[in-house]
Amino acid sequence: DVKVTQSSRYLVKRTGEKVFLECVQDMDHENMFWYRQDPGLGLRLIYFSYDVKMKEKGDIPEGYSVSREKKERFSLILESASTNQTSMYLCASMKTGPYGYTFGSGTRLTVV
Amino acid sequence: DQQVKQNSPSLSVQEGRISILNCDYTNSMFDYFLWYKKYPAEGPTFLISISSIKDKNEDGRFTVFLNKSAKHLSLHIVPSQPGDSAVYFCAASVAGGTYKYIFGTGTRLKVLA
Repeated sequence: DVKVTQSSRYLVKRTGEKVFLECVQDMDHENMFWYRQDPGLGLRLIYFSYDVKMKEKGDIPEGYSVSREKKERFSLILESASTNQTSMYLCASMKTGPYGYTFGSGTRLTVV
Repeated sequence: DQQVKQNSPSLSVQEGRISILNCDYTNSMFDYFLWYKKYPAEGPTFLISISSIKDKNEDGRFTVFLNKSAKHLSLHIVPSQPGDSAVYFCAASVAGGTYKYIFGTGTRLKVLA
């Protein structure tokens, strides 16, 4: 089974800090995604990547950036954390084609 | 503009009965659909999928129905069990594109023992 590992389950950061959320998958998937989940809003796509060093904006990219230097790793960066970025962050990977995602366990980020 | 809608935020069902979760979409280009289940503090797990060339797909207690003309899909769980209590998300994608999925807002299912 493919495994998607997010480095932290819970994080507390201060406003203005630069925050790195790491995600690693072990099945050689081409595509990786970052979503955030908020009550009443479902899962919203922040960024995705379909190849190493390639990235595309999702629906809510403002305040975020990403990095994909290696195929297995996709990092989400909050340039200057703000309280409205308090959320559950979910990383997913998928091989190219009509398949579903495999999600990581999520990182609950609180910005104070 | 919400392209994938789950209009019922919550649903309660008695154990052993049928649970029906609904999902509507607006983009007629969507042709691949998924359902995910999510427990608190965990990532979503894949449940079942359906392609637009089908109108039904079954996997054990779970069946997904697709009505393309109505742009509507539903997930049936029979019989419902307390362990099915979770948030359910539907998601849609355009095949042949980047396969990024648009998710609905979720329905919280509570199965009462």
